[in-house]
Amino acid sequence: QKEVEQDPGPLSVPEGAIVSLNCTYSNSAFQYFMWYRQYSRKGPELLMYTYSSGNKEDGRFTAQVDKSSKYISLFIRDSQPSDSATYLCARLAGGTSYGKLTFGQGTILTVHP
Amino acid sequence: NAGVMQNPRHLVRRRGQEARLRCSPMKGHSHVYWYRQLPEEGLKFMVYLQKENIIDESGMPKERFSAEFPKEGPSILRIQQVVRGDSAAYFCASSLTYRVEDEAFFGQGTRLTVV
Repeated sequence: QKEVEQDPGPLSVPEGAIVSLNCTYSNSAFQYFMWYRQYSRKGPELLMYTYSSGNKEDGRFTAQVDKSSKYISLFIRDSQPSDSATYLCARLAGGTSYGKLTFGQGTILTVHP
Repeated sequence: NAGVMQNPRHLVRRRGQEARLRCSPMKGHSHVYWYRQLPEEGLKFMVYLQKENIIDESGMPKERFSAEFPKEGPSILRIQQVVRGDSAAYFCASSLTYRVEDEAFFGQGTRLTVV
């Protein structure tokens, strides 16, 4: 079983829709979870990270962690064509491997006008 | 303030040749991470370096791959005797410290093609 699993999609939505992106993880000891956005031919950029359980909101983006079901989600409100990208969830290892990220496969999102 | 710079952006090598990928971290950053993105797969961690030290190389293939981050100059990922399976996008990231609050910024990547 992969440490972080993500449905690769692709996902296509109309402009203005609410987008829900999801990942599951296998190890309940994980604490930090991140969401990255990667445009085609570019490097990933961090959207937001959450610690433990609960919600975190930043503008049109909300990240949610449900530790009981080992589920992490990213919601995008009022989606725009510029949101079209690959979205990667990741978990951060702690301790001596603090900088080590384990990524999901990524979900390809297209927002059409 | 320039971001993480990787070069070359594209690299073509014949089977058996050596590939050298360079990564210049953001100014003031002393922590560097290398990741590989194979076609149809997510990013996979390879190695974590701090100036002159390898901190975690648990993701590095046992043979042909090596990485360094000298006191002066960029970090180098070196692949000896490349094979077709090494074709991938290689990304490096840098951060100020190892703390999660100090975001790791990614470069644009080097796309290696082995022919």
